[in-house]
Amino acid sequence: EIVMTQTPLSLSVTPGQPASISCKSSQSLLHSDGKTSLCWYLHKPGQSPQLLIHEVSNRFSGVPDRFSGSGSGTDFTLKISRVEAEDVGVYYCMQGIQVPWTFGQGTKVEIK
Amino acid sequence: QVQLVESGGGVVQPGGSLRLSCVASGFTFTNHGMHWVRQAPGKGLEWVSYIHYDGTFKDYTDSVEGRFTISRDDSKNTLYLQMNSLRAEDTAIFYCARDLHRSFDYCGQGTLVTVSS
Repeated sequence: EIVMTQTPLSLSVTPGQPASISCKSSQSLLHSDGKTSLCWYLHKPGQSPQLLIHEVSNRFSGVPDRFSGSGSGTDFTLKISRVEAEDVGVYYCMQGIQVPWTFGQGTKVEIK
Repeated sequence: QVQLVESGGGVVQPGGSLRLSCVASGFTFTNHGMHWVRQAPGKGLEWVSYIHYDGTFKDYTDSVEGRFTISRDDSKNTLYLQMNSLRAEDTAIFYCARDLHRSFDYCGQGTLVTVSS
């Protein structure tokens, strides 16, 4: 099983300031088709998980451009350029290259 | 718009069974693989199971293999999860989700399964 490790596990951010979350996988997420199977989700309290980023850096439909993803191989980062109040929740990275698909532990983001 | 509505959760004793349903709308159901993902109380997200768009391939996380069965009824646009031999550690909110090529893009609001005596 691929282990996904996120840091930090919690983050308190002033509105308008940037935030960054790291995700490391125990194996490369690069598929033989050249695509890397790493995505990011935001799970807001009382809501269902929502896809933010897929294939490392592709923003999903409707996701604000203040969210960006980067990385390769085993090291990935989610950045929020200017945090807004609506961004609170738990952020998860997930790998979809090998069954079982696995998530990071989650990073709880709160607003100062 | 894409809608996924889960149902079938509830309280069940250890060793019991439940069948979860997920009714899909707003997209062509037969074009998409589907997943079940869960979240235990106070824990993170866990992928549970996947079924191919045509039902020919299924996969499960190890902890549910042999106890859970995923299926779909394309005539009803409905995804199912038959859960047998339930354990306390299966207590969770179960979400159905639409596949997006090694990720999933939309989830339902979830249905709560509580396994307790």
